[in-house]
Amino acid sequence: AQSVTQLGSHVSVSEGALVLLRCNYSSSVPPYLFWYVQYPNQGLQLLLKYTTGATLVKGINGFEAEFKKSETSFHLTKPSAHMSDAAEYFCAVTRTGANNLFFGTGTRLTVIP
Amino acid sequence: DAGVTQSPTHLIKTRGQQVTLRCSPKSGHDTVSWYQQALGQGPQFIFQYYEEEERQRGNFPDRFSGHQFPNYSSELNVNALLLGDSALYLCASSLVRLAGMDTQYFGPGTRLTVL
Repeated sequence: AQSVTQLGSHVSVSEGALVLLRCNYSSSVPPYLFWYVQYPNQGLQLLLKYTTGATLVKGINGFEAEFKKSETSFHLTKPSAHMSDAAEYFCAVTRTGANNLFFGTGTRLTVIP
Repeated sequence: DAGVTQSPTHLIKTRGQQVTLRCSPKSGHDTVSWYQQALGQGPQFIFQYYEEEERQRGNFPDRFSGHQFPNYSSELNVNALLLGDSALYLCASSLVRLAGMDTQYFGPGTRLTVL
């Protein structure tokens, strides 16, 4: 079975501060991991993904995430928050051969000017 | 290059009615997945279609059914609507892979309200 836990349903940061959104996964097989962003009244946009290879993954809009197998984590970071980063962020997991994603409950990021 | 498109954008129905939602995949994609996103929750997998057949199904009742057409577009049908079916319905398209799942690209969703 696979699942994802996102710690913190709401995170607030000041503009220019570090963004850290936490994601821990559970998977009995090597996982594929994803971060998606959802702006109000919109669908999901892929930020980045990890399948195999390099554990530090760079995505769009300056975001990156590091796959840590020993900690079963895939936290999302961005060095400097921008007002346009305010949105809902979802971590998702799947595995090779699977056809569907399992999503966390999401973290709403607020950026304070 | 058009991304994933969904119609309609919003829909209001009453309990017991039936609804059909439509999705056109991203150009070049052959697989369509449907997800339900209740308010304040993450999306939940309903089912996936490839080669006009349902490949996999999540934990949703038979009231939820689907179809994929030869041009890869898809429909989601929900019968006997319940208040709890109110949600954002997301369509995602991808390319089938023999091993590993290709990245899923999501459409803007259809907001269904059941009164």
